[in-house]
Amino acid sequence: GAGVSQSPRYKVAKRGQDVALRCDPISGHVSLFWYQQALGQGPEFLTYFQNEAQLDKSGLPSDRFFAERPEGSVSTLKIQRTQQEDSAVYLCASSPHPEAFFGQGTRLTVV
Amino acid sequence: QKEVEQDPGPLSVPEGAIVSLNCTYSNSAFQYFMWYRQYSRKGPELLMYTYSSGNKEDGRFTAQVDKSSKYISLFIRDSQPSDSATYLCAMEDTGRRALTFGSGTRLQVQP
Repeated sequence: GAGVSQSPRYKVAKRGQDVALRCDPISGHVSLFWYQQALGQGPEFLTYFQNEAQLDKSGLPSDRFFAERPEGSVSTLKIQRTQQEDSAVYLCASSPHPEAFFGQGTRLTVV
Repeated sequence: QKEVEQDPGPLSVPEGAIVSLNCTYSNSAFQYFMWYRQYSRKGPELLMYTYSSGNKEDGRFTAQVDKSSKYISLFIRDSQPSDSATYLCAMEDTGRRALTFGSGTRLQVQP
């Protein structure tokens, strides 16, 4: 497809479970971002990759959050030992600067 | 206090009205100013962006940036029911690629 693809679209996790969220960026886009969007709020930055290099991870809320992009294309956001406060929509965006094109997000619900 | 403030609305207008959406910000380093539209359960979609101060027009949409007042606006002319969505302002400073979003304004255009 032509756009940013995220999977799964919806994920329900029991508290304490580990989850992995996948992002397939637009082909050829060097920059990739992860954002977290709580209900009724704007997206908040988590982390940024340029190719396979993670250049900024200042927005990751705790060491339970980990992101990778080993071959400079697909990226995975992993959350260990999920907590209820992790419930949110996780958005991936890829970008030829300064534009950013977002995927539809993964809605994570921790029960 | 948040770096970017945006009135959450909801804003309800009749079809054909001119809509004005606004954000204020505190970070003088912001140089790129974006407006995104987000439909329910979808990812944000970039409408337009402006670099530094000035105006930019694209069809029915006009973006304005006043850096001296730290105030940005999006005007929608001849609003349509299909414009009903949440509008997010977002800003990027020169030091990092992460976007800082407002909390979004929910707009409803009544037929």
